[in-house]
Amino acid sequence: DAGVIQSPRHEVTEMGQEVTLRCKPISGHDYLFWYRQTMMRGLELLIYFNNNVPIDDSGMPEDRFSAKMPNASFSTLKIQPSEPRDSAVYFCASSPAVGQGNQPQHFGDGTRLSIL
Amino acid sequence: AQSVTQPDIHITVSEGASLELRCNYSYGATPYLFWYVQSPGQGLQLLLKYFSGDTLVQGIKGFEAEFKRSQSSFNLRKPSVHWSDAAEYFCAVGSPNFGNEKLTFGTGTRLTIIP
Repeated sequence: DAGVIQSPRHEVTEMGQEVTLRCKPISGHDYLFWYRQTMMRGLELLIYFNNNVPIDDSGMPEDRFSAKMPNASFSTLKIQPSEPRDSAVYFCASSPAVGQGNQPQHFGDGTRLSIL
Repeated sequence: AQSVTQPDIHITVSEGASLELRCNYSYGATPYLFWYVQSPGQGLQLLLKYFSGDTLVQGIKGFEAEFKRSQSSFNLRKPSVHWSDAAEYFCAVGSPNFGNEKLTFGTGTRLTIIP
């Protein structure tokens, strides 16, 4: 089975440009998570969805960040306008909803974002 | 609020030696606990998880972890490391409560293997 698929793997763009990161979760998984990983702050949860509905976006750093999940097989994380401090590796993860509570999350290989 | 502490930022171990990575958590009840491994340029891969039952859990790649409620710990162990185990290891804690599906990750422990 295919795992979580993220695109692009690498993105380099100039400050002020719009950046869109994409994620395809594992088929049948009800939960989708967006994380940001930096040396300074480690792995931070930005937002997560359940059945395409955002549940908790308290980790989204500011209004420049937005995330959508138009259907069960696709999600985007958008930064507009981008700033150099947004440079990080962004991970998408998905998990099934079997029983209650947490199920293991399956991670994509990430998008390495560099804002010049 | 739940939290995780990995007190060792970097550990160096000789190939073939035993390994223990420490993880302490803070949570009001029995949490769900996970260990993940991250190789360079890749995402996190689940090594093992603890939800309930036997406090010694076995994972992939020969790893195991023991949940100790009295010490609020979930240390990861391997009896004999291989050079391919060099990676970053993350402990994570989650809630057993429906509606709170967030995982809180520790800051990670980087493992270096020397010949």
